[in-house]
Amino acid sequence: QVQLQESGPGLVKPSETLSLTCTVSGGSISSYHWSWIRQPPGKGLEWIGYIYYTGSTNYNPSLKSRITMSVDTSKNQFSLKLSSVTAADTAVYYCAAYSHSNTWVKFDSWGQGSLVTVSS
Amino acid sequence: QSALTQPASVSGSPGQSITISCTGTSSDVGGYNYVSWYQQHPGKAPKLMIYDVSNRPSGVSNRFSGSKSGNTASLIISGLQAEDEADYYCSSYTSRSTLVFGGGTKLTVL
Repeated sequence: QVQLQESGPGLVKPSETLSLTCTVSGGSISSYHWSWIRQPPGKGLEWIGYIYYTGSTNYNPSLKSRITMSVDTSKNQFSLKLSSVTAADTAVYYCAAYSHSNTWVKFDSWGQGSLVTVSS
Repeated sequence: QSALTQPASVSGSPGQSITISCTGTSSDVGGYNYVSWYQQHPGKAPKLMIYDVSNRPSGVSNRFSGSKSGNTASLIISGLQAEDEADYYCSSYTSRSTLVFGGGTKLTVL
């Protein structure tokens, strides 16, 4: 399994853009699909979307207008940007992947999670 | 997209078996064999326990099993142990080429 590590600001102001990066180790980013999943405090999981190393993306329709995902193969990293955030976007954000085949519908590798709080 | 429906909580005594249901529609759970189950302990990332309805990843105890009937998938845990106490989430691929999770079930081992 690959190892994943999220990084980014823990506090974002309302209406601004949330930015997170996930660093992949133990494998090449030029394989597999790379996903983002979030979990508001005390609540369930929500799929945000995925990016393939070619740049192909698929986003949750409820968030699609605010999401941008990108991949940097030279750094073995992929990133998430979520614009116009509100308090409802406060959550632990996970990056995740399935490291045994090229699929995005299941995840056996997860980052430790990054808590992002939206507050002024 | 609506979340898949799971019971908010289930409980069982050590050694017993429990079942957690995950109900969707013919556009997700019922239409595809891409149901997964995750275990999440407090403050930890989810762990894949079952994939593709009934397959167990290497290293996951054979006390965990999965099945599906119609629009409802099930996670069965046999020989319940204290360490099984956690939150459990199902997920499914959907006809819109998206992924949807269940609302989660808190398992209490009495």
